Amino acid sequence: LAKTTQPISMDSYEGQEVNITCSHNNIATNDYITWYQQFPSQGPRFIIQGYKTKVTNEVASLFIPADRKSSTLSLPRVSLSDTAVYYCLVGDGRSSGDKLTFGTGTRLAVRP
Amino acid sequence: ETGVTQSPTHLIKTRGQQVTLRCSSQSGHNTVSWYQQALGQGPQFIFQYYREEENGRGNFPPRFSGLQFPNYSSELNVNALELDDSALYLCASSWTLAGGQDTQYFGPGTRLTVL
Repeated sequence: LAKTTQPISMDSYEGQEVNITCSHNNIATNDYITWYQQFPSQGPRFIIQGYKTKVTNEVASLFIPADRKSSTLSLPRVSLSDTAVYYCLVGDGRSSGDKLTFGTGTRLAVRP
Repeated sequence: ETGVTQSPTHLIKTRGQQVTLRCSSQSGHNTVSWYQQALGQGPQFIFQYYREEENGRGNFPPRFSGLQFPNYSSELNVNALELDDSALYLCASSWTLAGGQDTQYFGPGTRLTVL
């Protein structure tokens, strides 16, 4: 599975747009990119998944450049409740693979 | 549609004891994966069960074992507990078809403390 690199932490203020970038230089042709959100003492929650270009859902957008060696999770107008750890994963097949490999994630702190 | 549920929510054991954690998969899902998450770390893959058989295993010793039942629910068993086994244990369910697997959805976890 391709290794991912993310910033350890980020700070933001309510109402701002937050962009978290993930590097995955060794991504394979069949790999998808998936982002999860995790609050303390809870299980990770699926946010968004993509293969190339741009994917948007009701909570976030995922931007993937043509070379797919990185991806950016964009959270529009964050609120205090978006304070969490965000994980970027890449893997085979439709999802991040049958064996999700989590790094340490990006700890996002949203301030009033 | 019901989500992934786990029981118990919290558990305290002593070194050397055995523990069984339970997971009910999301409705319509046939695959269950278990993860261990130590404080401040990302979840680490333990193993996965598909059609009642182990379908992949991470770097965990044999004292970590599991079962999947015909209704796709699952158990994680840990024997000879060690202090380092203290962690949040997460169960994730998904739907597997030939050639691919859908997104994994996680339960709330079981917090295990070993004294």
